[in-house]
Amino acid sequence: EVQLVESGGGLVQSGGSLRLSCAASGFTFSDRWMDWVRQAPGKRLEWVANIRGDGSERYYVDSVKGRFTISRDNAKNSLYLQMNSLRSEDTAVYYCTRALEVWGQGILVTVSS
Amino acid sequence: DIQMTQAPSSLSASVGDRVTITCRASQAITNDLGWYQQKPGKAPKRLIYGANNLESGVPSRFRGSGSGTEFTLTISSLQPEDFATYLCLQWHYYPRTFGGGTKVEIK
Repeated sequence: EVQLVESGGGLVQSGGSLRLSCAASGFTFSDRWMDWVRQAPGKRLEWVANIRGDGSERYYVDSVKGRFTISRDNAKNSLYLQMNSLRSEDTAVYYCTRALEVWGQGILVTVSS
Repeated sequence: DIQMTQAPSSLSASVGDRVTITCRASQAITNDLGWYQQKPGKAPKRLIYGANNLESGVPSRFRGSGSGTEFTLTISSLQPEDFATYLCLQWHYYPRTFGGGTKVEIK
């Protein structure tokens, strides 16, 4: 069974940093693109970033470019999202997904101003 | 960015009704579109990929159609467990973009 479990969320002050992790199991992690998607309260879902299976390609939505970094450790079957210079508008539930097909349960990030 | 416009934003329907939701892309995206179901407090669940391919385990009452810029999700006979929000997503271009959602409520 494919499982994606996010961790690392919480409350952080504006301008601070947070690192989200996603533990993957049930599939060959290194073969698959992985994405982060977020949903702010009352807003539509927003795709954040993705990374190719071997880590050779990464893409970001403009609103996080230069602040967020997606990475992966295929030896640990883990996906990461390093979030720096956080803003109140980054407050959202963050989802780890396998190629937008299978989704984790989500983790809340709250940025206080 | 590609704008995904869903209609209607909400609808009321009864069990057994046929429901149709549309999604329009601001540019042609071939068939690189998925439909998702989201219930409150839960992650989205993909129902349809490639515009018209049913995910394994999803009931056959869900059907996707369309290509280019116009797409449709049809639920042939609404069941109690289908009351939820439905979203479309395009993955033809970066950034990937979602529709605003259609909330299906009980009449």
